[in-house]
Amino acid sequence: DQQVKQNSPSLSVQEGRISILNCDYTNSMFDYFLWYKKYPAEGPTFLISISSIKDKNEDGRFTVFLNKSAKHLSLHIVPSQPGDSAVYFCAASARVSGGADGLTFGKGTHLIIQP
Amino acid sequence: DVKVTQSSRYLVKRTGEKVFLECVQDMDHENMFWYRQDPGLGLRLIYFSYDVKMKEKGDIPEGYSVSREKKERFSLILESASTNQTSMYLCASSPGQGGLGAFFGQGTRLTVV
Repeated sequence: DQQVKQNSPSLSVQEGRISILNCDYTNSMFDYFLWYKKYPAEGPTFLISISSIKDKNEDGRFTVFLNKSAKHLSLHIVPSQPGDSAVYFCAASARVSGGADGLTFGKGTHLIIQP
Repeated sequence: DVKVTQSSRYLVKRTGEKVFLECVQDMDHENMFWYRQDPGLGLRLIYFSYDVKMKEKGDIPEGYSVSREKKERFSLILESASTNQTSMYLCASSPGQGGLGAFFGQGTRLTVV
């Protein structure tokens, strides 16, 4: 049973346009959400996060939106650049459970920025 | 600059071999994790540790064990490697609960032949 779902395995966007990556979750205990970016043969790097008490967080070209009622979040990248081509993972955490339970990841979306 | 270092980038091992994957972090983090990444499956948690000598099973612990003798080091052990353990293995550490603020190592691409 997948608790974090990224339903688009890949997404192709033209350079300069907006990239929108989507993520859905099923576990109501999740209270913190993160996006990681991964290049081939490298470990994931943290991109941006959002707490469940917020509905938007912005950092430069990256904005994450959270819709708790729909259990949906999205990552917007504007404008998209060639270096943004990578696999993006959505991850969720249930901090209320305490301990060191790891992040729960989606399967990833491969973003391809076309010139 | 924070660092999570995995001992090998690429490994090729034979079926049945005992395999050790080493991970060291220099951030004094309490929590350390081992994930594997497979195409179409994303990152799946194998084991994690929230303190020295403490370990907890993740979502897919079968065929693996771990060791955390020192705070900075977390080892993943494949007791008897099998071809279905061919994967990218990622170590991470985090200071916070729930894996928040997790930093990842560069990954180890393990091929079992």
